Amino acid sequence: AQKVTQAQTEISVVEKEDVTLDCVYETRDTTYYLFWYKQPPSGELVFLIRRNSFDEQNEISGRYSWNFQKSTSSFNFTITASQVVDSAVYFCALEGSGGYQKVTFGTGTKLQVIP
Amino acid sequence: DVKVTQSSRYLVKRTGEKVFLECVQDMDHENMFWYRQDPGLGLRLIYFSYDVKMKEKGDIPEGYSVSREKKERFSLILESASTNQTSMYLCASSLGQRTGPEAFFGQGTRLTVV
Repeated sequence: AQKVTQAQTEISVVEKEDVTLDCVYETRDTTYYLFWYKQPPSGELVFLIRRNSFDEQNEISGRYSWNFQKSTSSFNFTITASQVVDSAVYFCALEGSGGYQKVTFGTGTKLQVIP
Repeated sequence: DVKVTQSSRYLVKRTGEKVFLECVQDMDHENMFWYRQDPGLGLRLIYFSYDVKMKEKGDIPEGYSVSREKKERFSLILESASTNQTSMYLCASSLGQRTGPEAFFGQGTRLTVV
C-alpha cells in the first residue's frame, strides 16, 4: 500500500517569510509520480508540479521550489518570500505504477500568510 | 484553458433522497474522477472513468454510483443520501496517456445531507 504523509496540519507565517511544506511518501513501486496541488479558498485544486521517480533534480519556479529526495522519501515544497495570495491548502499526492486509480493524496497543509 | 465545471457549489438534501452531482469538462479528456474531501482525510477517490460507459471503483465506492454516457460528462449518484455523505465532492479530468498526467479539478460541490 502507498501512503502520503503531510505532518503539518496548519502553518502560519508572516508575509515575506519563507515556508517549507513537508511531504513524506511510502510506496513499493519503483516508478511513480509525485504531485503538489494548491487549493485556494475558491475550492478547485490547482496543479503545481509533477515529478517522476527517476528525476531527483530539484526545481524552481519563481518563488516556488521543490526538493525531491528519494533517500528520505520526501518531496518538500518551499515558498520563498511568502505572499497573502499563497494562503491555501496544499496537497501532496503520489501516483503509483497502477495508474491514476492508484493516486493517493496527503491530508493537506493549510498555509496562512499574515500580512 | 481546461475547464471542469460542477453543476452546483452548494447542495442541501434530505436523508433518503436520490442525489445527482454533475461534472462537465471541455478538453476531450479520457479520464474523469470523483473524489470526496473531508477534514483530516485529504481526498479519497470514489470512482473514476477512463472512457465512455467505463467505470472503475476507487477507494470508497460504497453508497455511490456513477454514469458516463458522454465523454465530457461524468455524474455521481447517491442512491439514498445519508448524513455521513455530507462532504465536499470534487470532480477532476485528465488525459488518458500514462505519463503521470496532472488532473484538472472543478470547484467542488459542498453537499449537506440533513
